[in-house]
Amino acid sequence: AQSVTQPDIHITVSEGASLELRCNYSYGATPYLFWYVQSPGQGLQLLLKYFSGDTLVQGIKGFEAEFKRSQSSFNLRKPSVHWSDAAEYFCAVGAGLNTGFQKLVFGTGTRLLVSP
Amino acid sequence: NAGVTQTPKFRVLKTGQSMTLLCAQDMNHEYMYWYRQDPGMGLRLIHYSVGEGTTAKGEVPDGYNVSRLKKQNFLLGLESAAPSQTSVYFCASSRDTGELFFGEGSRLTVL
Repeated sequence: AQSVTQPDIHITVSEGASLELRCNYSYGATPYLFWYVQSPGQGLQLLLKYFSGDTLVQGIKGFEAEFKRSQSSFNLRKPSVHWSDAAEYFCAVGAGLNTGFQKLVFGTGTRLLVSP
Repeated sequence: NAGVTQTPKFRVLKTGQSMTLLCAQDMNHEYMYWYRQDPGMGLRLIHYSVGEGTTAKGEVPDGYNVSRLKKQNFLLGLESAAPSQTSVYFCASSRDTGELFFGEGSRLTVL
């Protein structure tokens, strides 16, 4: 069975500084990997996904993530954080029958705080 | 453009009561899911459906039942609510891109 570890529960970043959120996964086959963001009181929104191909994937809102098979990692990055990025971020690994159907296993989330 | 709509958004139950959460999607998605979100535990899959008339168990199915009589609707039922089912419940749907679209959640408290 697959699993996801997000080692940081909270991270505080100054506005304008760079950001990296860590994600490590465990899965026996080639994983489908996702990052979702959740604003307070809202559902989750997809930031980006990796299925295959280029290991550096671009997402919405200026986010990117790099898949490193050797490290079983899929870390999320942003070069310059904005106050509106404050939210909770979830990494997930999918065990899908195909790219459309995904039984996602989520990490426990990292809450991002942005200081002025 | 509604996307995924969950009703009700808030509900308080007493132990032993029953209720149904309704999820409706207007995107003609084939796949639908119910997750629960608890502090420090992320989201866990309760049940899912790969098409109209089908359902299957996820990671934490005990105490819940589901039905998908129509493609656009996915119902989550609690026959006899327990305090351990106090949680925020999220419905999601997906098609062929792998992206799950989530509703805004339903907060359930069981006293």
